[in-house]
Amino acid sequence: AQSVTQPDIHITVSEGASLELRCNYSYGATPYLFWYVQSPGQGLQLLLKYFSGDTLVQGIKGFEAEFKRSQSSFNLRKPSVHWSDAAEYFCAVGPSGGSYIPTFGRGTSLIVHP
Amino acid sequence: EAGVAQSPRYKIIEKRQSVAFWCNPISGHATLYWYQQILGQGPKLLIQFQNNGVVDDSQLPKDRFSAERLKGVDSTLKIQPAKLEDSAVYLCASSPRDRGRGEQYFGPGTRLTVT
Repeated sequence: AQSVTQPDIHITVSEGASLELRCNYSYGATPYLFWYVQSPGQGLQLLLKYFSGDTLVQGIKGFEAEFKRSQSSFNLRKPSVHWSDAAEYFCAVGPSGGSYIPTFGRGTSLIVHP
Repeated sequence: EAGVAQSPRYKIIEKRQSVAFWCNPISGHATLYWYQQILGQGPKLLIQFQNNGVVDDSQLPKDRFSAERLKGVDSTLKIQPAKLEDSAVYLCASSPRDRGRGEQYFGPGTRLTVT
């Protein structure tokens, strides 16, 4: 069975500082990996995705993520955080077997200090 | 392009009552998903439709939850009777791909409170 671990429940950074959110997955084959962001009272928005190829993927809003197979990780990064980046971030992995049943991590809450 | 629409946005009911949520996916999206997101957790897939057929409902509590997607467009999720533990945000998402690696587009969700 596939699983996703986001070890940090909360992350606090100062505006302008760099950011890295951790995501580790467990999956038997090459995974499809996603990062989503959820602002308060909103649905989830796709930030970026990895299917294959270049292990460094660029997303929207200045985010990037790097797939490291040896570490089973797909960490999200941003060089300079803005106050508007404060939100909940979810890592997800899929598919599993013959049907697409995505598995989400529990999320990391990003707090940005001015 | 209009996004995924959901209604109502908020609902408060008493336990043992019934409730229904509505979702209208992005036009042309064949795949529709319903998720349950309990506070402090990631979304959990309840059911996946491909057009008007069910692809996977293995995590749907079928004794009280039901869902349909008539005509392969909009969808309704129903809970009857509701329990306290059903308090959560119910998210609808759609995808343009049949299955597999297609990214999902989420609606704003319906926040259900069961008292």
